[in-house]
Amino acid sequence: EPEVTQTPSHQVTQMGQEVILRCVPISNHLYFYWYRQILGQKVEFLVSFYNNEISEKSEIFDDQFSVERPDGSNFTLKIRSTKLEDSAMYFCASTLGGTSYEQYFGPGTRLTVT
Amino acid sequence: AQKVTQAQTEISVVEKEDVTLDCVYETRDTTYYLFWYKQPPSGELVFLIRRNSFDEQNEISGRYSWNFQKSTSSFNFTITASQVVDSAVYFCALVKREDYKLSFGAGTTVTVRA
Repeated sequence: EPEVTQTPSHQVTQMGQEVILRCVPISNHLYFYWYRQILGQKVEFLVSFYNNEISEKSEIFDDQFSVERPDGSNFTLKIRSTKLEDSAMYFCASTLGGTSYEQYFGPGTRLTVT
Repeated sequence: AQKVTQAQTEISVVEKEDVTLDCVYETRDTTYYLFWYKQPPSGELVFLIRRNSFDEQNEISGRYSWNFQKSTSSFNFTITASQVVDSAVYFCALVKREDYKLSFGAGTTVTVRA
């Protein structure tokens, strides 16, 4: 069964460093997302991506964040200069679109900023 | 804007008991989709069920069933004959038509004791 994959599973970085989180969505899906979950809290939407551009972003997704689909399979989230409060689980998700609204999530990347 | 409320923060049951999770939502849209996701201790988000706003028929799928009441904006989820493996955080979520962005509730932690 196709699944969304994410790498790395855990990333530790120092404050101010840049990180890139990687995702491979399900191959025939058209819409891609990043969500964030701070430990013990709810899952929050960051950004949606369709047709090679951002379709929507939340207030959390400020200038420090960027997304890219550099090739036909990968979907990346870059945090330019990490802050302590960026420590969270980051989930990538994808959906087929059209009348299919189910989003399938990757296993997540736990980002720890020290 | 959409809002999803899960008033129960934690539920603890003994194996084989039924568990019902409450979800109340707010939206101005007439067409929307409701979901339940499961987050086991391993951390991934697993899609369980989806319900369309224009279909109020309640269904059963194995040990899962759901009760969608548009008049009260509620979308409750029941696990019948709970098992220890059902121990997880359960999230209710909503997406409006042509948006594809999931709005999550705060989650309910279910603990099933042997």
